[in-house]
Amino acid sequence: QVQLQESGPGLVKPSQTLSLTCTVSGGSISSGSYYWSWIRQPAGKGLEWIGRIYTSGSTNYNSSLRSRVTMSVDTSKNQVSLELTSVTPADTAVYFCARITTRAAFDIWGQGTVVTVSS
Amino acid sequence: QSALTQPPSASGSPGQSVTISCTGTSSDVGGYNYVSWYQQHPGKAPKLMIYEVSKRPSGVPDRFSGSKSGNTASLTVSGLQAEDEADYYCSSYAGNNNFYVFGTGTKVTVL
Repeated sequence: QVQLQESGPGLVKPSQTLSLTCTVSGGSISSGSYYWSWIRQPAGKGLEWIGRIYTSGSTNYNSSLRSRVTMSVDTSKNQVSLELTSVTPADTAVYFCARITTRAAFDIWGQGTVVTVSS
Repeated sequence: QSALTQPPSASGSPGQSVTISCTGTSSDVGGYNYVSWYQQHPGKAPKLMIYEVSKRPSGVPDRFSGSKSGNTASLTVSGLQAEDEADYYCSSYAGNNNFYVFGTGTKVTVL
């Protein structure tokens, strides 16, 4: 079955760029009509949708983060990536990648990766 | 885009039922039949429990059911079991401007 695994630095300094990768295993990232998404969750708080990408490279972002977010896809590596620029401590969170179905359901999630923004 | 509103907490004894509400607007919950519900245990990733308002993915017990009326969706857990104790989040499609919005989350306690 399809599985997702996030990876990247656990500590990022303020004003720098947060970069994460989500590797898809157990199936091709290009199979089916799915979007691939990033969601984050600060400790003890709720979920926040960051953005989504299709395997064509088409992206959509949360309007509150749009100016700082870039998502990309590498179909040869079965990976999607997230970059968040000019980070502050408010960006400290668990970052999840997830698959979105055509019915707007996040049906498969990675285990999440903790990112702390601190000097 | 504001988060969907859920009660912070809900509880019930084993075997009882608990219902969680998720209130949005006509631009999200009320405008689309694309409401989903997620269960999250501490330190774990969310798990899809309900999609398209009332459909259950394979493997999700039929104790979990969903419904919607106007701008409010609901998740009902019947026959509460100890393993149902978790945080629950709703989500809705919100159109081509805001795309997806999550609820504020509800902590369900099995007494």
